[in-house]
Amino acid sequence: QVQLQESGPGLVKPSETLSLTCTVSGGSISSYYWSWIRQPPGKGLEWIGYIYYSGSTNYNPSLESRVTISVDTSKNQFSLNLSSVTAADTAVYYCARGGSRYYIQHWGQGTLVTVSS
Amino acid sequence: QSALTQPASVSGSPGQSITISCTGTSSDIGGYNYVSWYQQHPGKAPKLMIYDVSKRPSGVSNRFSGSKSGNTASLTISGLQAEDEADYYCSSYTSSTLVFGGGTKLTVL
Repeated sequence: QVQLQESGPGLVKPSETLSLTCTVSGGSISSYYWSWIRQPPGKGLEWIGYIYYSGSTNYNPSLESRVTISVDTSKNQFSLNLSSVTAADTAVYYCARGGSRYYIQHWGQGTLVTVSS
Repeated sequence: QSALTQPASVSGSPGQSITISCTGTSSDIGGYNYVSWYQQHPGKAPKLMIYDVSKRPSGVSNRFSGSKSGNTASLTISGLQAEDEADYYCSSYTSSTLVFGGGTKLTVL
């Protein structure tokens, strides 16, 4: 069974770049769509974007100017960079694997990232 | 890309059936048969319950079913159980991206 684990700083300063990595175990990253989703405290889910193992990406239009998702197949990892963060970017960030490009099948446990000085 | 519209809350008694609606537009729900539903218990990651409008992943109870009519999708839970109490989110594919609903809190009375 595939497992996903997010890692990265839990605290980021305003205007800086949020960087997270997702390590995939129990299966190869060399297939499927790999997503990032976030959830502000007490609020709903927001899809950030996904990357296909080949490197092609699609992003939420509302975040596209600040988001980069990349993949490292040699390490079975994919990553999220979100630039120029503000307090509104404080959220639990989930990495996930799509069953297809149309839905999310497997989720990581999530990691809370707080934006504060 | 606007969030899909879900009721903030629904409730039902054990054994009853409830339906959660998810309303979008012809650009998302109405344009594709790619609606999915997720269950989220407090402090936990979401869990896939329904995909491609009405398909159930292996291991998900057949008490959960999905459907779609026009721009509105629905999740029905029959034979409500205490463990069904959770937040539920719908999602739809739209123009190479995914969009979620605002979430519905299900209370089992």
